[in-house]
Amino acid sequence: AQSVAQPEDQVNVAEGNPLTVKCTYSVSGNPYLFWYVQYPNRGLQFLLKYITGDNLVKGSYGFEAEFNKSQTSFHLKKPSALVSDSALYFCAVRERGGFKTIFGAGTRLFVKA
Amino acid sequence: EAQVTQNPRYLITVTGKKLTVTCSQNMNHEYMSWYRQDPGLGLRQIYYSMNVEVTDKGDVPEGYKVSRKEKRNFPLILESPSPNQTSLYFCASSLDGRTANTEAFFGQGTRLTVV
Repeated sequence: AQSVAQPEDQVNVAEGNPLTVKCTYSVSGNPYLFWYVQYPNRGLQFLLKYITGDNLVKGSYGFEAEFNKSQTSFHLKKPSALVSDSALYFCAVRERGGFKTIFGAGTRLFVKA
Repeated sequence: EAQVTQNPRYLITVTGKKLTVTCSQNMNHEYMSWYRQDPGLGLRQIYYSMNVEVTDKGDVPEGYKVSRKEKRNFPLILESPSPNQTSLYFCASSLDGRTANTEAFFGQGTRLTVV
């Protein structure tokens, strides 16, 4: 069965430190991979996506993600965290040629000043 | 401004009373979708629509109906709501459903409580 795993319910990091939010997936073929962020009382906002090519994808607000095909992972990273990055982050996967999108359970990021 | 608009934002209803949550997008997107968000489960897809008059079930379609009579609108219908449908609902749209132009734009969400 297709699935997306975000193994950490919460990630805590100090402001200015690098952050990583993990995502692994089990989807056939070479899927499209996405990261979204959700701020309180808001809908999800697109951060970045992987389609093909370079394994390091750059997105909005200084975020980037590293695709690793052998580990079927797509971890979200930022070199220097900000307090304003505190939010709920979702990894999502869509099979190429398919119409369904599968979301992970979400990881809450807490950045302490 | 490009946006996906859902209404209402908050709704409390009683078991069995039919309700509709509206969703409208102004970006001429072909693909629209409904999700429910529950703690610890993330977002689960309820129904999606590839274009006008074309819809299909997602992972949790039971108890829900949708229609796509116009490109911009994609209402979610609960014919006989039950307490297990208490959730946060999101509508989303994207340019199309299959190509790389598939990042989604989300509405603000509808918090539904069924008592």
